[in-house]
Amino acid sequence: EAGVAQSPRYKIIEKRQSVAFWCNPISGHATLYWYQQILGQGPKLLIQFQNNGVVDDSQLPKDRFSAERLKGVDSTLKIQPAKLEDSAVYLCASSPQAATLTKYFGPGTRLTVT
Amino acid sequence: GESVGLHLPTLSVQEGDNSIINCAYSNSASDYFIWYKQESGKGPQFIIDIRSNMDKRQGQRVTVLLNKTVKHLSLQIAATQPGDSAVYFCAENSDAGGTSYGKLTFGQGTILTVHP
Repeated sequence: EAGVAQSPRYKIIEKRQSVAFWCNPISGHATLYWYQQILGQGPKLLIQFQNNGVVDDSQLPKDRFSAERLKGVDSTLKIQPAKLEDSAVYLCASSPQAATLTKYFGPGTRLTVT
Repeated sequence: GESVGLHLPTLSVQEGDNSIINCAYSNSASDYFIWYKQESGKGPQFIIDIRSNMDKRQGQRVTVLLNKTVKHLSLQIAATQPGDSAVYFCAENSDAGGTSYGKLTFGQGTILTVHP
């Protein structure tokens, strides 16, 4: 089966600019996650969707980050405006259901903010 | 607060040796643990998991040991191969239900380097 797809793989922007990341989860997976992974650290959950609804966005910096999953399949994560400290790898993951603890990760998008 | 950490940030072994990667966790309510492998430029890949009602679980060349008394988790890799070189993360789940079920907290990671 095809894995989690993400694009772009790399992005370089200047601070205060906007950026958007796209994720296509594994077919049929109801739960989708966005994680932020700063260099040298483990992934940190930003937001969790169950179908097209948000079930956990407690660690999402809502003043600059937004995410949507309008049709319960693909998802986009946006940062506006970007800060230097947003430089990280943004990982998308999916699982069949929220109760499924095993997550399948995409390759990530490496963001560099200059 | 809740945290998951690793004792050794780097581990270097010779091909064929056994590797042991350690992880300490602080939340005694954690009920599920996962080890992930992350190669350069890739997302984390599931290796093995264990529930808190177990103290050992074996997979293909890998074994996870859980010591709830001292809140310690370890990953043992037998006959380590160059392809095992990666960053290894432990992660814990401490939500028993509700909307946050399935939320994992990751540790910092250990870099494993296997020399031919």
